[in-house]
Amino acid sequence: DAGVTQSPTHLIKTRGQHVTLRCSPISGHKSVSWYQQVLGQGPQFIFQYYEKEERGRGNFPDRFSARQFPNYSSELNVNALLLGDSALYLCASSLGRTGMTYEQYFGPGTRLTVT
Amino acid sequence: AQRVTQPEKLLSVFKGAPVELKCNYSYSGSPELFWYVQYSRQRLQLLLRHISRESIKGFTADLNKGETSFHLKKPFAQEEDSAMYYCALIRGNQFYFGTGTSLTVIP
Repeated sequence: DAGVTQSPTHLIKTRGQHVTLRCSPISGHKSVSWYQQVLGQGPQFIFQYYEKEERGRGNFPDRFSARQFPNYSSELNVNALLLGDSALYLCASSLGRTGMTYEQYFGPGTRLTVT
Repeated sequence: AQRVTQPEKLLSVFKGAPVELKCNYSYSGSPELFWYVQYSRQRLQLLLRHISRESIKGFTADLNKGETSFHLKKPFAQEEDSAMYYCALIRGNQFYFGTGTSLTVIP
């Protein structure tokens, strides 16, 4: 297993545009979480999906949305991009709902640059 | 509000010296705390969790509820310990990460 995979690896967008980031979890993992990591900061929680339902949401505006598909892969969508959305977007998967029982495994991230 | 504070952005120690990476948290309930590590050109990965009370790669971390701290310690630092370390707290399904400490072990 290649572990958690994310695509694309890098992306450059213009202010006001829309972006879709993709994540494929480890085989057998049913939970996917998304994080935003701005340079010099720790990851900030955006969403968690488990069994295709949203199970947690961080303090992000409605421009951020996500979904999980029947094969447990996930998409993160960001509308009306702002310069401040430039960051590394991390995806993490786990067997069950993230918590003490289930360890989360991180992907390599997608580097988004908004100009 | 839940907050995780790592006061040191950068920390350098000599090989063989003890190392302590500080983590303080603010949380009104019973915290569940973790340390994550990111080695150069690798993915973020779990190092240890407080509930396991385990030692991983020689690192230990003790939860001190009185001081609201979860410091990461190792008695003898090795060069391969050089990495970025993040303290994290979980509440429900949400993880809260600190800003991280970059550890450099000097040969």
